[in-house]
Amino acid sequence: DAKTTQPTSMDCAEGRAANLPCNHSTISGNEYVYWYRQIHSQGPQYIIHGLKNNETNEMASLIITEDRKSSTLILPHATLRDTAVYYCIVRAGGGADGLTFGKGTHLIIQP
Amino acid sequence: NAGVTQTPKFQVLKTGQSMTLQCAQDMNHEYMSWYRQDPGMGLRLIHYSVGAGITDQGEVPNGYNVSRSTTEDFPLRLLSAAPSQTSVYFCASSYLQGAGGYGYTFGSGTRLTVV
Repeated sequence: DAKTTQPTSMDCAEGRAANLPCNHSTISGNEYVYWYRQIHSQGPQYIIHGLKNNETNEMASLIITEDRKSSTLILPHATLRDTAVYYCIVRAGGGADGLTFGKGTHLIIQP
Repeated sequence: NAGVTQTPKFQVLKTGQSMTLQCAQDMNHEYMSWYRQDPGMGLRLIHYSVGAGITDQGEVPNGYNVSRSTTEDFPLRLLSAAPSQTSVYFCASSYLQGAGGYGYTFGSGTRLTVV
């Protein structure tokens, strides 16, 4: 699976959009970009994933650059409950070898 | 629909004791897996299963056994607990990762301390 690079930490004001970047310059054509988050002491929570088109669901939007070498997760109206560690993971659509979690980005939503 | 249920939530073991961490899912997911998370670190894969009767090792399998007799259950056994196994354990399940990709559903974790 391709390696990802994320900032260690970010702050965002409550009510504003939180934009979390991820670099994955070695991504292969069959690899998806997945985002998970882990709120303190809880199990990771799946947020969204995409291949090359932008994706949106009830939690967030995922913007993938045209060359697929980077992406941005957008939480449109951040709340205090969005404070968590956010993981960007790149992996192929098939396979059963699990997820490789890096250090992620610690997003802190400020009141 | 309860999702992924892990029991117990907390456990303290003495070195050398054995125990089984339970994981059950009610989503008819073929794929189930176990991760451990040590303080300040990301999750690491211990064992996984792609269906009943089929299991395989992940990144850190030593000291752990698994079996998959039903689609719903995937217990993790520690045969002789060691302090190095003190960690938070998460179970996760999903549909098999076909071409479209699927997100994993994680349980709430079991916090294990070995003294």
